[in-house]
Amino acid sequence: DAGVTQSPTHLIKTRGQQVTLRCSPKSGHDTVSWYQQALGQGPQFIFQYYEEEERQRGNFPDRFSGHQFPNYSSELNVNALLLGDSALYLCASNSQGLTGELFFGEGSRLTVL
Amino acid sequence: GENVEQHPSTLSVQEGDSAVIKCTYSDSASNYFPWYKQELGKRPQLIIDIRSNVGEKKDQRIAVTLNKTAKHFSLHITETQPEDSAVYFCAASKGGSYIPTFGRGTSLIVHP
Repeated sequence: DAGVTQSPTHLIKTRGQQVTLRCSPKSGHDTVSWYQQALGQGPQFIFQYYEEEERQRGNFPDRFSGHQFPNYSSELNVNALLLGDSALYLCASNSQGLTGELFFGEGSRLTVL
Repeated sequence: GENVEQHPSTLSVQEGDSAVIKCTYSDSASNYFPWYKQELGKRPQLIIDIRSNVGEKKDQRIAVTLNKTAKHFSLHITETQPEDSAVYFCAASKGGSYIPTFGRGTSLIVHP
């Protein structure tokens, strides 16, 4: 049983560029959440997708957008990258309304130069 | 929104000692409190959780306590082992969406 998978694992971008991160949820899960984890900090909630719609959003600007596909996989897009966007981006999945455990992927490490 | 404070930020103990990590939350409606362990370079993984209708929960060497009145909860690890070394995050969430707000983490170092 594959867990949550994310790609790419590492990437380097320059300020102003755009980036797309991808996530496949754990088998049987229908809900995907994205988190930003800066160095030495706890994960910060970006948004959650369920039934291909953004259900809830954290305190992140509109430069952060996402999408969920019919197979429950998801993308996180960040436009006009800033140096402060450098972080580990974690994807987590669960089943809507069931156990609260979030299953995290290994993350995508984004460095903005 | 919810605010979760976690202390200490770093905890250093000798193997076999106990370790306690404390968290407070601000939203009295929060009803689910998970704890995640993140080893260096790895994904966060749930180690134990507690719901607001329970005051304490144990799983082998790990226990969590919850005081709803004071809005604080704690993680207790007994007989620590070097493999317990990691960053531990507490979190709080409410309702059925299970969108936790995380604390800033505690780096636990267990010296052999």
